[in-house]
Amino acid sequence: QVQLVESGGGVVQPGRSLRLSCVASGFNFGGYGMHWVRQAPGKGLEWVALIWSDEVYKFHTDSVQGRFTISRDNSKNTLYLQMNSLRAEDTAIYYCARNGTTHNGMDVWGHGTTVTVSS
Amino acid sequence: SYVLTQSPSVSLAPGKTARLTCEGNNIGTKRVYWYQQKAGQAPVMVIYDDNDRPSGIPERFSGSNSGNTATLTINRVEAGDEADYYCQVWDRASDYYVFGAGTKVTVL
Repeated sequence: QVQLVESGGGVVQPGRSLRLSCVASGFNFGGYGMHWVRQAPGKGLEWVALIWSDEVYKFHTDSVQGRFTISRDNSKNTLYLQMNSLRAEDTAIYYCARNGTTHNGMDVWGHGTTVTVSS
Repeated sequence: SYVLTQSPSVSLAPGKTARLTCEGNNIGTKRVYWYQQKAGQAPVMVIYDDNDRPSGIPERFSGSNSGNTATLTINRVEAGDEADYYCQVWDRASDYYVFGAGTKVTVL
């Protein structure tokens, strides 16, 4: 079945780095745009980044621009989020989500991986 | 940047109709998406392109979008509909995806 499984979360000190992964299965991963969306404790959803299927076009929200980088390896059916210079406000559950083929919504979501930035 | 405004919460009895609004400047010119997030779970898309339902979503869920307001309607609300609901659009001007702050639906 269609599935997204995130990993790589954990507890990290401010200023350090972390790389999240999202492994896709059950669909043609290379044919879809992919997102990272996060949710701080007790808060709403915040879009983080998008990468299109061709791996060329990438967009990051302002608050992570220059610190986070989205990437993908279509040969491994895997999406990544490299997070550098982490801050306390980056603490959240990070979800990967698939962009629809005919629309700009997120039609499949992973279960999320938790990142805690704390000294 | 584009802003979406949702009411924080709504409470209603089972069997009633819930109407959740999502306000944004000329939102009627954009495609709106709605997500349901139950406690401790990942979000699930319930409406795409303003008023289409993904497979597996009950017909009780419907959407509309016009002017400055998009609406998610849940008919015959059930206990299992209790969740946070988020609206989302793609802002073409910035190539950013924007979520509303969410509406918490409580079934009494």
